Amino acid sequence: NAGVMQNPRHLVRRRGQEARLRCSPVKGHSHVYWYRQLPEEGLKFMVYLQKENIIDESGMPKERFSAEFPKEGPSILRIQQVVRGDSAAYFCASSPPDSEAFFGQGTRLTVV
Amino acid sequence: AQTVTQSQPEMSVQEAETVTLSCTYDTSESDYYLFWYKQPPSRQMILVIRQEAYKQQNATENRFSVNFQKAAKSFSLKISDSQLGDAAMYFCAYRSSTYSGGGADGLTFGKGTHLIIQP
Repeated sequence: NAGVMQNPRHLVRRRGQEARLRCSPVKGHSHVYWYRQLPEEGLKFMVYLQKENIIDESGMPKERFSAEFPKEGPSILRIQQVVRGDSAAYFCASSPPDSEAFFGQGTRLTVV
Repeated sequence: AQTVTQSQPEMSVQEAETVTLSCTYDTSESDYYLFWYKQPPSRQMILVIRQEAYKQQNATENRFSVNFQKAAKSFSLKISDSQLGDAAMYFCAYRSSTYSGGGADGLTFGKGTHLIIQP
């Protein structure tokens, strides 16, 4: 029974490139959440998605960041034209409706 | 906006001893949820314990217990009989009751406390 799977675990991008982070939720979970952890900080909420719908994106930067959770396949967090300040660990969590959520191990993005 | 403060960047405890991690929060709401998460070197966030604000009884999970003081807005975590596997970052988190009881949207985290276990 696999948990939340995030890949890649580590991602290095040059400034201006695009970063695509993938999250495969626990089998049967229809809700996905993305959080960002800057160095020496706690996690900050970014976005909450259900299948094919964005429910709450109040924590998403207005530009360059987007997220999707298609009917089939993993959830994707996309960061366009990355900058050094995007360097962080990005965590995904999943849950069934109104039940405990489980986190993945995160993707560490380094922008050089 | 709610804030969560963990005033201890790092704590150290001898194996088998008891340690208490502090957390305070600021909110104008009367109903909410509080959590402690553990983040070991693997980086995975693991839920340790959860408390509903309307419940006066302090939550307990095996060696982990909380001291929830609602009036003081304090939510400390006590780890009894500390084990080497308890070494990790510990994060306190707040969630408004406007969210449902489950899920992980809208969590507000503190900056964490690094717990070191001395053998």
